[in-house]
Amino acid sequence: DVKVTQSSRYLVKRTGEKVFLECVQDMDHENMFWYRQDPGLGLRLIYFSYDVKMKEKGDIPEGYSVSREKKERFSLILESASTNQTSMYLCASSQGNNQPQHFGDGTRLSIL
Amino acid sequence: GESVGLHLPTLSVQEGDNSIINCAYSNSASDYFIWYKQESGKGPQFIIDIRSNMDKRQGQRVTVLLNKTVKHLSLQIAATQPGDSAVYFCAENIHTNQFYFGTGTSLTVIP
Repeated sequence: DVKVTQSSRYLVKRTGEKVFLECVQDMDHENMFWYRQDPGLGLRLIYFSYDVKMKEKGDIPEGYSVSREKKERFSLILESASTNQTSMYLCASSQGNNQPQHFGDGTRLSIL
Repeated sequence: GESVGLHLPTLSVQEGDNSIINCAYSNSASDYFIWYKQESGKGPQFIIDIRSNMDKRQGQRVTVLLNKTVKHLSLQIAATQPGDSAVYFCAENIHTNQFYFGTGTSLTVIP
C-alpha cells in the first residue's frame, strides 16, 4: 500500500513564525501535492510538484512556498504565518497524470 | 473555474440498506473521476475510480456510475455498514495533474 506520512498531526504556532510542514511518500511517486481543507470549501490546491526541484502553483499559493529536494519528500512552508492559515493541511502523491492521489492523514495547524 | 458539487450535504441510512451518494461536475472535458472516503481525523482514502470511456465500474460493495450526458457521478454502497460512516467526496481530473474536489456528503449509518 502507498504510504504518505505527514510529520505532525497537530501543530500550534504563533503569528509571524515561519512554519514547515513535512511530507514523505514511500512509493517512488512522481507527483506530490499540498492541499488545505476548510469546512464547506473542500480541498484547495496550494502547490504541486511533478519532479524533484520542480514546483507549480495551485489555486491558492499566496503566503506559501514549497521545497522538493528529494523525490520522496515535499515540504510546505508558511513564510510568515497568519491566523487565516489555520487549517487542515493534506499532502498527497500520485504516480502520474490521471492516476489516483493518495493522501496522508493531515496536519491540523493552528496559528495563534 | 470548474466546480464539483454534491446534491446533499448529509445522508442517513439504516444499516444493511444501500446508499447512493451523488456528485455533479461542470466540465464536459473531464475524463477521470475518483471517489474518496474520509473518516474523522484521517486523510481521504481512495475508494474507486472511473474513466470517461466507461459508464459503470464495480468494486467490493461499491459501484460508481458515470452519466456524461448530464455530467453526473454517483457512488452506490451496498449493504451499508457502521464502518461506512464518513464523508464521501468526488474528484474530477481534466487532462492535467490537478483534481477538483467536491465539498463532500456526510454519511451516517444508523444501527
